[in-house]
Amino acid sequence: EVQLVESGGGLVQPGGSLRLSCAASGFTFRSYWMSWVRQAPGKGLEWVANIKQDGSEKYYVDSVKGRFTISRDNAKNSLYLQMNSLRAEDTAVYYCARMDSRAPVGWGQGTLVTVSS
Amino acid sequence: DVVMTQSPLSLPVTLGQPASISCRSSQSLVYIDGNTYLNWFQQRPGQSPRRLIYKVSNRDSGVPDRFSGSGSGTDFTLKISRVEAEDVGVYYCMQGTHWPGTFGQGTKLEIK
Repeated sequence: EVQLVESGGGLVQPGGSLRLSCAASGFTFRSYWMSWVRQAPGKGLEWVANIKQDGSEKYYVDSVKGRFTISRDNAKNSLYLQMNSLRAEDTAVYYCARMDSRAPVGWGQGTLVTVSS
Repeated sequence: DVVMTQSPLSLPVTLGQPASISCRSSQSLVYIDGNTYLNWFQQRPGQSPRRLIYKVSNRDSGVPDRFSGSGSGTDFTLKISRVEAEDVGVYYCMQGTHWPGTFGQGTKLEIK
């Protein structure tokens, strides 16, 4: 069974940094593209970033380019999202997901990031 | 980025009746490999989203056959043949053809 467990969320001040982690199990992690998707409180879904199996290709939504970095460690079956220069509008639940047919599937439960002073 | 527009945004339905959600993209979703990467997701209250339909009309494993997807190019539809209580939630279309992928605004299905 595919299992994705996010961690690292919390309260951070505007301009601060946070690193999210996602522990994967139940599938061959190194064989899949992976992604981060977020959902602001009471709002819809927004695809944040995705990364190729070997980390050689990465894509970001415009709103996070230059501030967020997606990475992975296939030896540890882990996905990461380094978030710098955080803004209030980055407040959201962040989901880790495996990619399948160019879409995020098998989502985790999410981790809440709150950017506030 | 590709804009995905759903309608209606609110959908009250009587149990046992059909329901339909429309999704329109701002540009064609046909990818260079000939596939159309249009997906439908369901998010039940308090839960993470789960995919129901991929590549326009293919149901994911475990999805009841009362859910069906159709469409082509820029116009797509999700249909529920007979709505059940467990179908309450928000439905999103999502395109994966042009990265970054983009979601529709969501359609909230409720029981009348």
